[in-house]
Amino acid sequence: EPEVTQTPSHQVTQMGQEVILRCVPISNHLYFYWYRQILGQKVEFLVSFYNNEISEKSEIFDDQFSVERPDGSNFTLKIRSTKLEDSAMYFCASSDEVAGNYEQYFGPGTRLTVT
Amino acid sequence: SQKIEQNSEALNIQEGKTATLTCNYTNYSPAYLQWYRQDPGRGPVFLLLIRENEKEKRKERLKVTFDTTLKQSLFHITASQPADSATYLCALGGYSGGGADGLTFGKGTHLIIQP
Repeated sequence: EPEVTQTPSHQVTQMGQEVILRCVPISNHLYFYWYRQILGQKVEFLVSFYNNEISEKSEIFDDQFSVERPDGSNFTLKIRSTKLEDSAMYFCASSDEVAGNYEQYFGPGTRLTVT
Repeated sequence: SQKIEQNSEALNIQEGKTATLTCNYTNYSPAYLQWYRQDPGRGPVFLLLIRENEKEKRKERLKVTFDTTLKQSLFHITASQPADSATYLCALGGYSGGGADGLTFGKGTHLIIQP
């Protein structure tokens, strides 16, 4: 069964460093998303992406964040200058939303630890 | 402000009984509501989606109801099994009127099925 994959599974970085989290969405999906989940808290939407541009973003997704689809398979989230409060699980998701299929399929996540 | 509430921090159910989880929301007019399962350290897994014009949806041992007047969804697992033990997340979407909607999640209900 097709699935969303994410790399790395765990990333440790120092405050102020740039990180890139990578995702490979399900191949026939058209919509891509990033969410984060701080330990013990709810899953929070960051950004959605369609047709090579951002479709929607939350207040969390400020100028420190950017997303890119550098090729036909990868979808990346970049955090330019990490802060301690960026420590969280980051989930990539994809959906096709063709004929109203709004369910989203999540990857296993990348645990980001900022020290 | 928008708010999603899911009942109790943890719900203990005897194996074989029906587990009923509640999701209440305020200040939303979602086009659809979704339920996900999340195991510790893993990404959410899609279970069921119900649209605003649907009252009930079933899939195997799962049943979801959606009352847009009460702003409430109930999620039922019949003939519960220890393997059903997980955190169950309610998520709302489709309120922007477009595609690629970011989902708004509740904090989740931790379900424990005791043998």
